[in-house]
Amino acid sequence: QQPVQSPQAVILREGEDAVINCSSSKALYSVHWYRQKHGEAPVFLMILLKGGEQKGHEKISASFNEKKQQSSLYLTASQLSYSGTYFCGTASAGNMLTFGGGTRLMVKP
Amino acid sequence: DGGITQSPKYLFRKEGQNVTLSCEQNLNHDAMYWYRQDPGQGLRLIYYSQIVNDFQKGDIAEGYSVSREKKESFPLTVTSAQKNPTAFYLCASSTDYNEQFFGPGTRLTVL
Repeated sequence: QQPVQSPQAVILREGEDAVINCSSSKALYSVHWYRQKHGEAPVFLMILLKGGEQKGHEKISASFNEKKQQSSLYLTASQLSYSGTYFCGTASAGNMLTFGGGTRLMVKP
Repeated sequence: DGGITQSPKYLFRKEGQNVTLSCEQNLNHDAMYWYRQDPGQGLRLIYYSQIVNDFQKGDIAEGYSVSREKKESFPLTVTSAQKNPTAFYLCASSTDYNEQFFGPGTRLTVL
């Protein structure tokens, strides 16, 4: 089943912060986060693994609540380049990623 | 430079035609994937392969076929059985269950 992302869309001014949430009904082994610019391929941002291990970019942070099967992506001091659609992908042990419907983020000057 | 390439960038298909989308990677990744993305939607898994000569159906495999004869290559054929193939197709690769690297995509349109 597809994870649910919230909000569906958000508009920010440069320098503002945002939180994007991802929730699954299944027990999760990992959560991946990707950003996609219009018409382009998704780009990897971060992976969070069960047990607390994280791999990703220094300027982006995220959390993974294993008990609640939820993850949140934190975007601080947003820049124009942060605009795009953010997708979470969730995986149970041994299974492939299932992607959420995406959160559209627009950062304005 | 290592990466994933997809061709063509744009593809037009007539009714009843089969078309093949190319995906090549030189990252030495074992796993490769095909996703379909419709406008304003997320990515849906069509097929995946974790090793040469083996592949598995994803969530929306009907009307599609794949082969994995070489580690570097994972072509996708959109058959005439796929009644609504107009979409953006993305190929990706990874090591085990780690981060996936995506190709630039192929935009398929049915005429």
